[in-house]
Amino acid sequence: QSVLTQPPSASGTPGQRVTISCSGSSFNIGSNTVNWYQQFPGTAPKLLIYRNNQRPSGVPDRFSGSKSGTSGSLAISGLQSEDEADYYCAAWDDSLTGQVFGGGTKLTVL
Amino acid sequence: EVQLVQSGAEVKKSGATVKISCKASGYTFSDYYMHWVQQAPGKGLEWMGLIDPEDGETTYAEKFQGRVTITADTSTDTGYMELSSLRSEDTAVYYCATPSYSTSCYTCAFDIWGQGTMVTVSS
Repeated sequence: QSVLTQPPSASGTPGQRVTISCSGSSFNIGSNTVNWYQQFPGTAPKLLIYRNNQRPSGVPDRFSGSKSGTSGSLAISGLQSEDEADYYCAAWDDSLTGQVFGGGTKLTVL
Repeated sequence: EVQLVQSGAEVKKSGATVKISCKASGYTFSDYYMHWVQQAPGKGLEWMGLIDPEDGETTYAEKFQGRVTITADTSTDTGYMELSSLRSEDTAVYYCATPSYSTSCYTCAFDIWGQGTMVTVSS
């Protein structure tokens, strides 16, 4: 059971906009920033969004993040087939004194 | 180029100890926390702990407390993660990771990841 809660799956057709939610608590998302990672099979995770809504250099602006209260959200607009991957949210947890992750969301592009 | 390069795959017997290395390059190793993350086959990411290479101070996840030891050698810019009393549930890929964009920030996201080290525990 992950500390942060994500839907196990999400899907969309090319060109669509998809959102993935991440629910936490006052100890993690409520008091710290949310980060998002993208992972393809057999490869290391890649940072997609940090500090709630910041994109590292090289990440397309089709990817955006937001935070409200104890929840975060990742939005992918103009969905492309190459976006098919696993997505994880993460945040620092002040109570556990450690980084916590969501269980991951498998995104399928139909 | 900023990168982390990990040691190769390991196969261990139950009860044994494994030690994985993570060689940093392209940045000042001692300025950035190094974290370790476990990913069991088909499962999600689980944070194991971190180290401040500057002074060696560590913080471990409760799940791994007592079995994991994270160290850092600033003379070789290398971090290490040692996991003892291995059991089948420890079969996983282990990653080192660091937030290379923010010094002395242990809560920051990880923008640099090692390639991962597969550890297989057999009975």
